[in-house]
Amino acid sequence: SQQGEEDPQALSIQEGENATMNCSYKTSINNLQWYRQNSGRGLVHLILIRSNEREKHSGRLRVTLDTSKKSSSLLITASRAADTASYFCATEPGGSEKLVFGKGMKLTVNP
Amino acid sequence: GAGVSQTPSNKVTEKGKYVELRCDPISGHTALYWYRQSLGQGPEFLIYFQGTGAADDSGLPNDRFFAVRPEGSVSTLKIQRTERGDSAVYLCASSPSPAGELFFGEGSRLTVL
Repeated sequence: SQQGEEDPQALSIQEGENATMNCSYKTSINNLQWYRQNSGRGLVHLILIRSNEREKHSGRLRVTLDTSKKSSSLLITASRAADTASYFCATEPGGSEKLVFGKGMKLTVNP
Repeated sequence: GAGVSQTPSNKVTEKGKYVELRCDPISGHTALYWYRQSLGQGPEFLIYFQGTGAADDSGLPNDRFFAVRPEGSVSTLKIQRTERGDSAVYLCASSPSPAGELFFGEGSRLTVL
């Protein structure tokens, strides 16, 4: 079963624009992670935000976490064609140690 | 190697056959996860090992699926009496700690004819 649900499911933007993806989850968490997956490849970890953090930055990535709303957002600034990929959020439901992924969001950045 | 290695990268088999998929995690990583991913979907959790023991196998769909990690390093996912619905990409990931950052392999694509 999916714990996180990304929104929107697909997004197409122009190079240089910002891309925002949202993730909602159902149970309490210790941390939330974001991953990206290029077509036909394995997943690559982007960023981990802990439940006691509200915002985190890594390069062009900005992640926010609102535990009261059980939601997170991933912002990619100044997007590039190479950012074209699927993006997934992942959490451990109920504080368990298994990481459960959402269905993902497909981002297309047009040159 | 430096990353998680999965073999084979592609496996085509016939319905009813037995299949083994291997995962070689990053050296020193105690946590190892197996996921299954169908086209257009997110990874579906199958099983998680901490060391040699299966800490959580709640995602295994039925008793045709089994996984082992006898020495706390390499893991093998075993599928008996394969069905066409088992066709998917099977992903393995390892982590230095439970529920921390996962390092994924490139996956094993299984096609059951």
